[in-house]
Amino acid sequence: AQSVTQPDIHITVSEGASLELRCNYSYGATPYLFWYVQSPGQGLQLLLKYFSGDTLVQGIKGFEAEFKRSQSSFNLRKPSVHWSDAAEYFCAVTTGGGNKLTFGTGTQLKVEL
Amino acid sequence: DAGVIQSPRHEVTEMGQEVTLRCKLISGHNSLFWYRQTMMRGLELLIYFNNNVPIDDSGMPEDRFSAKMPNASFSTLKIQPSEPRDSAVYFCASSLVSTEAFFGQGTRLTVV
Repeated sequence: AQSVTQPDIHITVSEGASLELRCNYSYGATPYLFWYVQSPGQGLQLLLKYFSGDTLVQGIKGFEAEFKRSQSSFNLRKPSVHWSDAAEYFCAVTTGGGNKLTFGTGTQLKVEL
Repeated sequence: DAGVIQSPRHEVTEMGQEVTLRCKLISGHNSLFWYRQTMMRGLELLIYFNNNVPIDDSGMPEDRFSAKMPNASFSTLKIQPSEPRDSAVYFCASSLVSTEAFFGQGTRLTVV
């Protein structure tokens, strides 16, 4: 069965610093991968997705993620964090074909001014 | 499109009462997911449908929980009878098969 691991529960960065949130997945074939962001009291908003092709994908709000098959990873990055990026970030995987979307446990990002 | 619409946004009910959560899918989407979010357990997939057919309900915690899709654009999640441990935020999400899921704003359920 597919699974997603986000090893960092909490991360604190200073505004303007770079950010990397880790995500590892478990699935035998090529998965469909996503990053979502959730602000307090809100639903989940899609940041970016990877289905196939270029392994470096660009998303909204200046985020990017890189799919590395050899490491079963799909880490999220941003070169310069803004205070408004403080939120919870979820990595998710599906195997496609109408199969279920499985989420990681999330990483809570705090931004220090 | 207005996105995925959930109602109510907040629900407070007494233990033992029936609770019905509602979800309107984005027009044209054919997959529907119900998730529950709590501090302790994070985001849990309860059930998902493709083309109105339940595909996997293994996440439904007990027989007290049931979900339906009476038509292609609407779903309900019912809890009967409700218990305090059911208190959580319930999200529904819709997608086209094999594409990204779009989430509603959630229903915050409190069972007292």
